[in-house]
Amino acid sequence: EAGVVQSPRYKIIEKKQPVAFWCNPISGHNTLYWYRQNLGQGPELLIRYENEEAVDDSQLPKDRFSAERLKGVDSTLKIQPAELGDSAVYLCASSLMTSGGVRTQYFGPGTRLLVL
Amino acid sequence: DAKTTQPTSMDCAEGRAANLPCNHSTISGNEYVYWYRQIHSQGPQYIIHGLKNNETNEMASLIITEDRKSSTLILPHATLRDTAVYYCIADQGAQKLVFGQGTRLTINP
Repeated sequence: EAGVVQSPRYKIIEKKQPVAFWCNPISGHNTLYWYRQNLGQGPELLIRYENEEAVDDSQLPKDRFSAERLKGVDSTLKIQPAELGDSAVYLCASSLMTSGGVRTQYFGPGTRLLVL
Repeated sequence: DAKTTQPTSMDCAEGRAANLPCNHSTISGNEYVYWYRQIHSQGPQYIIHGLKNNETNEMASLIITEDRKSSTLILPHATLRDTAVYYCIADQGAQKLVFGQGTRLTINP
């Protein structure tokens, strides 16, 4: 079974430029998450989708960040314009409800963003 | 979600059992204990989770104390590839995993 796929793996941009990250979750997983991981820290949730609906975007900086999951499968996270402090690893994860109502999140390899 | 406390770092010899402790004294009755690990430059990897009973899978064992205030992840025969940051997370259903600093486990040859 294929895991969570993310692209690109690495991205270097200059500040004020836009950037987009793409995620393809595990087939059949209806829940998709975007996390940001700063150097030396644990991942922090940015947004969670249930199918195509964003059910938790409280931690998403909405002035410059946007996300979409139009058909409830693939998702794109965008930053416009990027700032130096956005340099981080952006992780996508997906999950499926298991028996007993417990989810297990499976993570992709992440996109490492460097803003110069 | 309950806060968890883990040692910052640990060392273990290759081939020995690695026992990683986690304190979650404020865990509520419906919160599970999840363990993930993150190998350098990779995304976090799910290891195991449990509610009350001890659990075992192909990767590890999870021992939860009777009062559920602490747990231990056991890697029975650690290899060099087990070197990673290990995260212990208490959560109701993993809808919003809150990662702390984790334990940096180093397996030494």
